[in-house]
Amino acid sequence: QKEVEQNSGPLSVPEGAIASLNCTYSDRVSQSFFWYRQYSGKSPELIMSIYSNGDKEDGRFTAQLNKASQYVSLLIRDSQPSDSATYLCAAPVSGGYNKLIFGAGTRLAVHP
Amino acid sequence: ETGVTQTPRHLVMGMTNKKSLKCEQHLGHNAMYWYKQSAKKPLELMFVYNFKEQTENNSVPSRFSPECPNSSHLFLHLHTLQPEDSALYLCASSRPGTDNEQFFGPGTRLTVL
Repeated sequence: QKEVEQNSGPLSVPEGAIASLNCTYSDRVSQSFFWYRQYSGKSPELIMSIYSNGDKEDGRFTAQLNKASQYVSLLIRDSQPSDSATYLCAAPVSGGYNKLIFGAGTRLAVHP
Repeated sequence: ETGVTQTPRHLVMGMTNKKSLKCEQHLGHNAMYWYKQSAKKPLELMFVYNFKEQTENNSVPSRFSPECPNSSHLFLHLHTLQPEDSALYLCASSRPGTDNEQFFGPGTRLTVL
């Protein structure tokens, strides 16, 4: 199993719906997770960090970490066309000082 | 200037050229990174510097040579590159430590002819 895995998508949702993006991880990563948003041709932008089990909410975004099942998700409520981007999940490698492993990313398309 | 800046934003070079990419961070961080992002591939970590010292070289070919003169500046010197090295090169910075958030610069789009 790869350290961090994501479904490449595309995930297509209508405007106003909830978009659910998932990421699974192996034992080889530390259990802190970061969600980045990357628009086409741009660099990744950090949108959420989650360090403990449970939910963390920030505006329309909610990150959920389930350590028992080894997955982390990002929910986007009231999805907007401007949310259309690739979402990258990242986690530090266990024992790897400062070393982040990125998933391949899930492309989200929000259609009007 | 705020955040992480990178220059140039676009670079086209021949295989025999020598060029350098520059990164500067204005966040007071002490860790800096180079990543490579090729089409349809995950972000690949290339190098990590902590307090100006290289702490990670992810088996990067020697035609890529990093330099970190201080905690705010990072360079990537390029020579005799191959067409397959064409990619988006991203610089990032963070506070040192395993669980700290990394912030990216806008990237340099490199094309090797």
